[in-house]
Amino acid sequence: GENVEQHPSTLSVQEGDSAVIKCTYSDSASNYFPWYKQELGKRPQLIIDIRSNVGEKKDQRIAVTLNKTAKHFSLHITETQPEDSAVYFCAASRRINKFYFGSGTKLNVKP
Amino acid sequence: DADVTQTPRNRITKTGKRIMLECSQTKGHDRMYWYRQDPGLGLRLIYYSFDVKDINKGEISDGYSVSRQAQAKFSLSLESAIPNQTALYFCATSGVAGEGSGPDTQYFGPGTRLTVL
Repeated sequence: GENVEQHPSTLSVQEGDSAVIKCTYSDSASNYFPWYKQELGKRPQLIIDIRSNVGEKKDQRIAVTLNKTAKHFSLHITETQPEDSAVYFCAASRRINKFYFGSGTKLNVKP
Repeated sequence: DADVTQTPRNRITKTGKRIMLECSQTKGHDRMYWYRQDPGLGLRLIYYSFDVKDINKGEISDGYSVSRQAQAKFSLSLESAIPNQTALYFCATSGVAGEGSGPDTQYFGPGTRLTVL
């Protein structure tokens, strides 16, 4: 089955700086890569996703890049704000809608 | 997302007890999932169902069973709870092509915090 690894496990940045979280996957058939944000005590919520036919996708301060050859994808958050503090999860999925999640990155944005 | 609900939200029980966690959704999705979340381990899939007659084991199904009573309801049971099943449990649903952010987007319930003493 698929194996998704996520790094770093914790990340601390100053407000206004950028944050980058990286994930690798093992199954070359995976073709959908969502990112979820989970605030303390709340459910994971989708913040951005990318499909294997696209190399990059942006949504305001958030972007995701995908390198299919190297089997890795990254989340980029620019101009970080304190409300970006949360745990972020990457995931990989094939068309059968079975998801494999990374172990999570706890992002702390210091004011 | 208020369209996916879980009951109970919190439960404390004792070793050996039978526990049922329930999930309901009003999103009209066919696909439903149960995950377990432990600190530092992300979300791990317990069981998933693609329609009422379809049940599939995930990566950590031992000690759990499920029932898909209707398209909108998917229950998770612990027949004889043990302390290492203490965790946060999430139900999720996903739709089909053309919906939301894409065909594979998952929507999570609020979670059930289970403690087995």
